[in-house]
Amino acid sequence: DQQVKQNSPSLSVQEGRISILNCDYTNSMFDYFLWYKKYPAEGPTFLISISSIKDKNEDGRFTVFLNKSAKHLSLHIVPSQPGDSAVYFCAASALQGAQKLVFGQGTRLTINP
Amino acid sequence: GAVVSQHPSRVICKSGTSVKIECRSLDFQATTMFWYRQFPKQSLMLMATSNEGSKATYEQGVEKDKFLINHASLTLSTLTVTSAHPEDSSFYICSARRLAGGNNEQFFGPGTRLTVL
Repeated sequence: DQQVKQNSPSLSVQEGRISILNCDYTNSMFDYFLWYKKYPAEGPTFLISISSIKDKNEDGRFTVFLNKSAKHLSLHIVPSQPGDSAVYFCAASALQGAQKLVFGQGTRLTINP
Repeated sequence: GAVVSQHPSRVICKSGTSVKIECRSLDFQATTMFWYRQFPKQSLMLMATSNEGSKATYEQGVEKDKFLINHASLTLSTLTVTSAHPEDSSFYICSARRLAGGNNEQFFGPGTRLTVL
């Protein structure tokens, strides 16, 4: 049972344009969401997070949008840069309880010069 | 701040041997550390949650006798893969949750690539 889904395994975007990565979840108990960036053979690096009391959080080039009714979140990167090329994972947790992170399958983002 | 290290970064061992992987939070205290496993081109799968001073909580399907976890201090957790077999070959990643703060922000180590021959 995949509680967090990233349906696009890969995405290619032109440098300077906007990258939009999507994530869907099924568990209504999730109330905290995170995006991580990962390079091969390295651990994930935290990018940005959002709690369910918000619908948008912005940090520099990165903005995360949360649509609770649709159980959907997205990560916008603008403008996209070649260094953004990596695998992006969304993760979800419930702030109460064990606070375990449940990860999506990841989306490989490639920024083309 | 919030740096997590893992040692070793890469290990190759013979089938039947045991391998210990260390996870350290270098500049913060972590009451909880998590161990994940990642197969190629797949997501991170949580193996167990490690709480300082108590027994680890294992996810369904993870053999606790095979993957021994010790969380002896607020900055160190170890994962020992006992009697390793080729199917245990994987990328193992730990994360640590900072003691202070209310958000569930986990900081990840760089991972350990285990290859069992």
